[in-house]
Amino acid sequence: SYELTQPPSVSVSPGQAARITCSGDAMPKSFAYWYQQKSGQAPRLIIFQDKKRPSGIPDRFSGSSSGTVATLTISGAQVEDEADYHCYSTDITGDLAVFGGGTRLTV
Amino acid sequence: QVELVESGGGVVQPGASLRLACEASGFTFSSHGMHWVRQAPGMGLEWVAVVFYDATTKYSADSVKGRFTVSRDNSKNTLYLEMNGLRVEDTGLYYCARDSSGTPFDHWGQGTLVTVSS
Repeated sequence: SYELTQPPSVSVSPGQAARITCSGDAMPKSFAYWYQQKSGQAPRLIIFQDKKRPSGIPDRFSGSSSGTVATLTISGAQVEDEADYHCYSTDITGDLAVFGGGTRLTV
Repeated sequence: QVELVESGGGVVQPGASLRLACEASGFTFSSHGMHWVRQAPGMGLEWVAVVFYDATTKYSADSVKGRFTVSRDNSKNTLYLEMNGLRVEDTGLYYCARDSSGTPFDHWGQGTLVTVSS
């Protein structure tokens, strides 16, 4: 099996930067994707292929990847950014698709 | 705009079967791979299965292999998930989600709830 590890929770004050990590052994070879899920809603894609942003996603959301860790950064987090954030990737073969356990962001 | 609407969820006993459907609109359904992703109450997301655009290539998670079957009818713009031998641990909200040129889950439905309980 393959696992992605995220911190269960992150808390920041409004206006501060929030950083959420996702670690997995295959990260150097596989892209990371990030999804935001607000309470009672379906997830929404916010970062794809490590660092690209879909249209309509505010530029305060950014992604990066180095070694075995992918990072989602929200620069100047706002109260409306409170949500669960899920990372997704595949193992080195590309056959195993897996989500991280999710991180609850409190602003 | 892209719209995905799931249906077919319900409350069933262990061992029962259910068939979920996901009706798609607002895009060329036959050009996209489609996934099922589930979420147990209060838990994270779990990928369940994918069917490629041509309906012939399919993969599923080990946790559902041999029990769940993903399929699609491109003439009806509809994705399906046939679930047999349901277990208590299959309880959750089941989402369908679109794949776009290798970017997984770029659009999601609102989900349909499956509850397996005796």
